Amino acid sequence: QKEVEQDPGPLSVPEGAIVSLNCTYSNSAFQYFMWYRQYSRKGPELLMYTYSSGNKEDGRFTAQVDKSSKYISLFIRDSQPSDSATYLCAMSAGPGGGADGLTFGKGTHLIIQP
Amino acid sequence: DGGITQSPKYLFRKEGQNVTLSCEQNLNHDAMYWYRQDPGQGLRLIYYSQIVNDFQKGDIAEGYSVSREKKESFPLTVTSAQKNPTAFYLCASQTTATNEKLFFGSGTQLSVL
Repeated sequence: QKEVEQDPGPLSVPEGAIVSLNCTYSNSAFQYFMWYRQYSRKGPELLMYTYSSGNKEDGRFTAQVDKSSKYISLFIRDSQPSDSATYLCAMSAGPGGGADGLTFGKGTHLIIQP
Repeated sequence: DGGITQSPKYLFRKEGQNVTLSCEQNLNHDAMYWYRQDPGQGLRLIYYSQIVNDFQKGDIAEGYSVSREKKESFPLTVTSAQKNPTAFYLCASQTTATNEKLFFGSGTQLSVL
């Protein structure tokens, strides 16, 4: 089963707010978790990558993985209008990404209001 | 600058016509992929190639064909057998097939006339 659930939004928040984006999944074999940011009519760009459970921080972005709950999150602190985009979660069971069946969520459309 | 170049940015297909989407990378990546993105849908894998002269079907390969004659190039042909081709097509690459990080091109929007 390769199902990933992600709320499509849109999620609209004021500038400076903390944003929480989430995905749930059903396949307990998933071990590699990623967040991609996609601006309108552009290709996705990799924001965060996490292996197994735990937290990872990179600047204003924090990725969390809770494998026991099959739940992953992306937090954005001090949100900026330039953060307005669609955020896609992605996950796979093996390290091969696309070749090992990288499964994407449908994406959450985020709007940061100036 | 290193990257993945997709062309054209916009493409129109007539009924019964085959069209080819170009994908070129100068990152020296081994693996390349084609994904289809429909509004409100996640990315779905069409075809992938881990090495030159070899490629594998993804989840939705019917109506599509690919070739991988050079490491840098992975063109996708949308054939007349694909009855619902309107979508945003994304090409991606990886350093090796065992590296989970994908790098994407800027996409091609294909529409039916």
